[in-house]
Amino acid sequence: DTAVSQTPKYLVTQMGNDKSIKCEQNLGHDTMYWYKQDSKKFLKIMFSYNNKELIINETVPNRFSPKSPDKAHLNLHINSLELGDSAVYFCASSILVNEQFFGPGTRLTVL
Amino acid sequence: AQSVTQPDIHITVSEGASLELRCNYSYGATPYLFWYVQSPGQGLQLLLKYFSGDTLVQGIKGFEAEFKRSQSSFNLRKPSVHWSDAAEYFCAVGPSGGYNKLIFGAGTRLAVHP
Repeated sequence: DTAVSQTPKYLVTQMGNDKSIKCEQNLGHDTMYWYKQDSKKFLKIMFSYNNKELIINETVPNRFSPKSPDKAHLNLHINSLELGDSAVYFCASSILVNEQFFGPGTRLTVL
Repeated sequence: AQSVTQPDIHITVSEGASLELRCNYSYGATPYLFWYVQSPGQGLQLLLKYFSGDTLVQGIKGFEAEFKRSQSSFNLRKPSVHWSDAAEYFCAVGPSGGYNKLIFGAGTRLAVHP
């Protein structure tokens, strides 16, 4: 029973393409997040949704668009992919300010 | 500015030796504090957390951490390291209220020699 799942696990694509990463949590949490981990392992929050409402929107290019169809899902769509978008993207969930539970990550490689 | 500093980028210890990973933070108010571990190719797993109360907190896998308000530190310790503890360790701070925005340190990579 996976708590936070992401698909796909690996994503290899060409520059300029559009791609999506999906995230689902079965923990009953009300808040979900997207993080980006760069090649130096640095983790930075990108977005957060609480009950389908965007509550955190860091300085992220507008090519990145999160969508939360319901409390259990938070997807990340990326338009016009660039080389610098290559990273590992983590989804996480929590109940308000409690600890966050992370998914296994999606390794995106842009060629 | 809010920040988390993990001064040690890379630490190597022998199996069975004790371990201490350092974490210092800069935050406007007393934050919630976390230690996460990331094994190669895996997601992050919570080791332990501090919200309030006893400043020495116990976590999973035999880890503990001590919150020292005067030093703005939350160091992670383990008395005897196992080879399976080799991983990347992240300290994080977050607010005690409002939006749950975690700020992560740069991580400490732990290598364990047999």
